[in-house]
Order: sequence, then C-alpha cells, then structure tokens
Amino acid sequence: DAGITQSPRHKVTETGTPVTLRCHQTENHRYMYWYRQDPGHGLRLIHYSYGVKDTDKGEVSDGYSVSRSKTEDFLLTLESATSSQTSVYFCAISFGLAQETQYFGPGTRLLVL
Amino acid sequence: GNSVTQMEGPVTLSEEAFLTINCTYTATGYPSLFWYVQYPGEGLQLLLKATKADDKGSNKGFEATYRKETTSFHLEKGSVQVSDSAVYFCALSPTSGNTGKLIFGQGTTLQVKP
Repeated sequence: DAGITQSPRHKVTETGTPVTLRCHQTENHRYMYWYRQDPGHGLRLIHYSYGVKDTDKGEVSDGYSVSRSKTEDFLLTLESATSSQTSVYFCAISFGLAQETQYFGPGTRLLVL
Repeated sequence: GNSVTQMEGPVTLSEEAFLTINCTYTATGYPSLFWYVQYPGEGLQLLLKATKADDKGSNKGFEATYRKETTSFHLEKGSVQVSDSAVYFCALSPTSGNTGKLIFGQGTTLQVKP
C-alpha cells in the first residue's frame, strides 16, 4: 500500500467552515497528489506537489489550497467549505522514471452540510 | 487536450462470462495507459499498465493492449468471478512533463452475479 494514510477518514462539516485533510506517506516519495472522486467524473486532480514547498494546480483547484512543509505530509485545505465540495478525496504518491505509476490512499469522505 | 472515455456502466455479468470494458483516449504524443480498480470502500489500485504502442498489460487474468491506431486500451478478462465486482477506471499519463498527473475516465461499475 506504499505506506499512505489519510486523516480523517470521514468528516461532516458545515458550509463556510475551514477544513484540512492530511495525507501522510512513509516512503519518501517526492511526488504527491490530491484528487476528488465524484459520480460521473471519475477522479479529478486538485493539486499536486513535486517536493517540499513545491506545489502546482490541477484541473479543479478553485476553493482549495495545499501545503507541504515536510516530505511525508501533504495537506489539503478547504478555506471555506461549500456543498459542492462534498466528495471523496484521495491522496496518491507516484514513482517510476516518469512518475507514471501511482498508489492511492484509502480516501476521506467529506460531507459539507 | 487529453481525455479518456469509458463505456457507460453498470456492466452486469454472470460468473465465468467474458468481460470487455471499452476505453478510448485523446492525447498528443505517446501517453502511458493504465487500468485501476476500486473495490467497495477502498482506494484505487493499479491493475495493469502499458507504456508504448502494442504493449500488452496483464494482471490477475485481466489484459489490455495499447492500440495507437485506434487510440484504445480495452480491458478484457476471459472468465470473471464474483470477486471481480468493482469499479474500473481507465487513465492516461501524458507524454510530457514527467509530473505523473493522471487523467481518468469516469469509471465503469462491474457487477458479477453467481
């Protein structure tokens, strides 16, 4: 499972509140990713990181920010949660010469009321 | 731009039936292609991959061949089991950048009945 954990695994919050999701890896991988999974859309990339303090936007980054102050932790923050951010969030790491193979964490199910 | 299109689901089969899940892609250059599987309540797992044209990826009885001429990467299995019930995602990794960003299809749910 490439040593990836996500916390919390489930969260219910209210519209307008800030939320932070944590992804932790134990194998020193350089690249980490945050995706969201929604019915009919598959997985869509929110943000990714290619090293400590190095991050970039993905396909659906609006309303999300990320931080990576240590190799092992990649945080996803919803500054002011909205109901459209109700989703399942997956963290992933990649490896390989072209970073082409990814392993995924178990996911965080977020409900914004 | 890059995109992946999968056949609509759900797909319902009887045990030991033949499975095909269609996947076509749009991409510039020579992307790498993947199939991921998601069992109920779990994260995605890599099922198989192919990194160049005519490569065949295989794992656990599943196969897919990278067909550049038809821009396809269809998933097949000769005899499905109840334990294969899951959601299957086709994905591509674009040629350029080496950033590992994946572009996923919408997923196809497979239900296998005993």
